[in-house]
Amino acid sequence: EAGVAQSPRYKIIEKRQSVAFWCNPISGHATLYWYQQILGQGPKLLIQFQNNGVVDDSQLPKDRFSAERLKGVDSTLKIQPAKLEDSAVYLCASSGETGVGFFGPGTRLTVL
Amino acid sequence: AQSVTQLGSHVSVSEGALVLLRCNYSSSVPPYLFWYVQYPNQGLQLLLKYTSAATLVKGINGFEAEFKKSETSFHLTKPSAHMSDAAEYFCAVSETGRRALTFGSGTRLQVQP
Repeated sequence: EAGVAQSPRYKIIEKRQSVAFWCNPISGHATLYWYQQILGQGPKLLIQFQNNGVVDDSQLPKDRFSAERLKGVDSTLKIQPAKLEDSAVYLCASSGETGVGFFGPGTRLTVL
Repeated sequence: AQSVTQLGSHVSVSEGALVLLRCNYSSSVPPYLFWYVQYPNQGLQLLLKYTSAATLVKGINGFEAEFKKSETSFHLTKPSAHMSDAAEYFCAVSETGRRALTFGSGTRLQVQP
């Protein structure tokens, strides 16, 4: 069974630029999560989707972050414009009927 | 609201020694509890989960954890550390089986030869 795929693995941008991350969950998993992991901290939820609907986006900085999962499969997370404090690893996870989250390898974002 | 506290950001043990990583949680409802491991430049891998069945949960790689409701704890143990166990370990809680996880700040385990 293929795992959660994410791209790119690494991204370096200047502050005020925009960036997008892509996630392909495990086939058949209805729930998809985006987490932000700042260096030295545990992952923090940004947004949770159930199929193509948003379940929880209470911690998503909506003035600069957006996410979509149009067909209930792949998802894209965008930051526009980026700030220095957005430097982090962005983790995508998906879960099926068991509720157990399977994580992708993450995208490491550096904002200069 | 739910939260997780991991005591000790760094733990160092000798190869072959007991591993004990501490986790305390708070939750307004019976929790689902998880331990994940993260190797450098990789995503998180599930070690084990507690979902209100047996209080002693066995996971992969010889790890186990015991749910103690009276102490609101879910400590992770392994009888004998191996060099390959060196990694970052995260405890996490979910109020149901279908909501996002709240993670602790992590414990970095070092294994000395």
